[in-house]
Amino acid sequence: QSALTQPPSASGSLGQSVTISCTGTDSDIPNYIYLSWYRQRPGEAPKLLIYELTKRPSGVPDRFSASKSGNTASLTVSGLQADDEGFYYCSTYGGRSNALFGGGTKVTV
Amino acid sequence: DVELLESGGGLVQPGDSLTLSCAASGFTVDHFAMNWVRQAPGKGLEWVSVIYSDDRFTFYADSVKGRFTVFRDKSKNTVHLQMNTVSIEDTAVYFCARDRARSATGWSFDAWGRGTLVTVSS
Repeated sequence: QSALTQPPSASGSLGQSVTISCTGTDSDIPNYIYLSWYRQRPGEAPKLLIYELTKRPSGVPDRFSASKSGNTASLTVSGLQADDEGFYYCSTYGGRSNALFGGGTKVTV
Repeated sequence: DVELLESGGGLVQPGDSLTLSCAASGFTVDHFAMNWVRQAPGKGLEWVSVIYSDDRFTFYADSVKGRFTVFRDKSKNTVHLQMNTVSIEDTAVYFCARDRARSATGWSFDAWGRGTLVTVSS
C-alpha cells in the first residue's frame, strides 16, 4: 500500500487559516473513521491533534478542525499562530491491520 | 505523567541484529496497543509494527515483515522491537507510540517517545 498523499508545503499569515489535504485510495480513507492528524516540530516527537476524523484530544484548541470527503481528508488550522509551524502528517487505518501515514506537509506561518 | 523512553539504537552493519526498547511510565503497557513508527533522515513517518493489548495480536509493515518482532515485557512495563537482518533502508529514528484507545486499537497515537536512532552502514 502506498502512503497517503499530502502537499509538501502550505503557508498562511498570522491570524489567517491554512488547510492541508490528505488523499488516499478507495481502500482506506473512505472506509474508516480512524483518521488522525499530527504535528511534528523539528527534533521533536509527533503530537496528536485530531483522532477519529474530527475529535480533538484534551488540550488541543478548537482552532484545529478536520473533515473528510470521499478519499480526501482535510485539516484546517484557523487563527494561525507562530508556533503552529511544523510538519503536519495525516494517518489512517490501512485496512490490513496496519497504519498509513502521509508524506507530511510543512506549514509556514 | 505518561512517558515513553526508547533506547537501544546505534550504528550497525547490514545483516546485523538489534533490539530496541521502549520503557513506559505513568501507565501500564499491557492495557494499550503499542506501536513502533520510524522516520528516515529528512523523511516522513512510516508505521512499522503494533502489539495489541494483552498480546493478542502483532502486525507488521510489509517492509519489515519476517525480519522484525515486537514483544512486551510486562514485568518491566516495556515494549521491545527485535530487528534482524537489517538493511540500509532501515536507517531511521524509531519512535514508540501508544494507541489512544485503551484495550482496543483506534489507530491514533497519543503518546510518543523522543525516538532512538538506528544507523545501518557498512
